[in-house]
Amino acid sequence: DAGVIQSPRHEVTEMGQEVTLRCKPISGHDYLFWYRQTMMRGLELLIYFNNNVPIDDSGMPEDRFSAKMPNASFSTLKIQPSEPRDSAVYFCASSFLTSGTVYNEQFFGPGTRLTVL
Amino acid sequence: AQTVTQSQPEMSVQEAETVTLSCTYDTSESDYYLFWYKQPPSRQMILVIRQEAYKQQNATENRFSVNFQKAAKSFSLKISDSQLGDAAMYFCAYRSQGGSEKLVFGKGTKLTVNP
Repeated sequence: DAGVIQSPRHEVTEMGQEVTLRCKPISGHDYLFWYRQTMMRGLELLIYFNNNVPIDDSGMPEDRFSAKMPNASFSTLKIQPSEPRDSAVYFCASSFLTSGTVYNEQFFGPGTRLTVL
Repeated sequence: AQTVTQSQPEMSVQEAETVTLSCTYDTSESDYYLFWYKQPPSRQMILVIRQEAYKQQNATENRFSVNFQKAAKSFSLKISDSQLGDAAMYFCAYRSQGGSEKLVFGKGTKLTVNP
């Protein structure tokens, strides 16, 4: 399996521009998570989906951030307009509920490093 | 809300020696999971080990083991026979057993392995 795929790996943009980050989860996984990592705040969950439906978006910073999952194999995180304080590494992760357990391991993608100038 | 605290921003160890990374957490729940993730310079987050709170036995995975003290809300990671490839950021994380799938992470400990 190719693992969780994220694109782009690096993104540099100017303040005010729209940024779209993409994620392809592991095939068969029914949970998808978006995390943000910064030096100040560490790793924070932004939003997660189950079967393409958003379950918890309480970590989304503000209305400038939006996430979608149109199908089981694709999700986007959009920032519009972007600001310098959005500079961070954004991780996507996916998981599935193993039969017979209540635990499902989250597998992380390589992350997208976003720099907003 | 649950919180996870890693009080050691940086640690170092000599190759082949043993090192222990500390983690404490705060929760009012009785059932939950605890994890240690490794993040090497490649940025990839890798699960090292996990512990179910209802299990009294400490989890082990090869050279990695934990010391889980539920009453003290402590969850330390011991790395034995440290190798150069163990150098990375290590993150402690918490997840409720029921309801939310959310992982709550500590700020991390940077581990350096000296040859």
